[in-house]
Amino acid sequence: AQKITQTQPGMFVQEKEAVTLDCTYDTSDQSYGLFWYKQPSSGEMIFLIYQGSYDEQNATEGRYSLNFQKARKSANLVISASQLGDSAMYFCAMREGAGTASKLTFGTGTRLQVTL
Amino acid sequence: AAGVIQSPRHLIKEKRETATLKCYPIPRHDTVYWYQQGPGQDPQFLISFYEKMQSDKGSIPDRFSAQQFSDYHSELNMSSLELGDSALYFCASSTGEDGEKLFFGSGTQLSVL
Repeated sequence: AQKITQTQPGMFVQEKEAVTLDCTYDTSDQSYGLFWYKQPSSGEMIFLIYQGSYDEQNATEGRYSLNFQKARKSANLVISASQLGDSAMYFCAMREGAGTASKLTFGTGTRLQVTL
Repeated sequence: AAGVIQSPRHLIKEKRETATLKCYPIPRHDTVYWYQQGPGQDPQFLISFYEKMQSDKGSIPDRFSAQQFSDYHSELNMSSLELGDSALYFCASSTGEDGEKLFFGSGTQLSVL
């Protein structure tokens, strides 16, 4: 079974609008972490935001927020006030277990295109 | 702030050749991860090291080996290269004290001709 599912292969959003990128996960661990990364066409993998399974508040980092619904096992990324520079591939990833050396498992990504 | 440094940025090799990719983690980060991302695919975990010891192993071919040195930098050695090894190879690092902050380097684009 897929551990991370991103059901939107591609999304369009108009500049200055908000957009939500979906991510659901599957784990039986009590302790886990959820990450979002941005990968522009230049290829680098840019860390955006992190949510721990025990964090009670939804994570926020500037224009990025993570809508964490633990019971539904979803960790959607919300980008507010979209900018042209937000056009990129976005990956949701999960780290299972409490060990700090545990690996990330990625979803298949969502390609976001911001239009004028 | 210092980031994860990978070298080289681009590498072109022929089939059956060898390649060595280098990764310099963020200062005070003790854990290094290697990922392989094929064209249009999500990153796949290869191997990780914690405090210079291998901590986890993923879908790394036997032709590949890696290690983490005393200064915490890591090298991925790839031998008998095949066309299918052409990919973007990422290194990431994190610290045991702040494990949720996992940062990636810019990657090494390997092309096998």
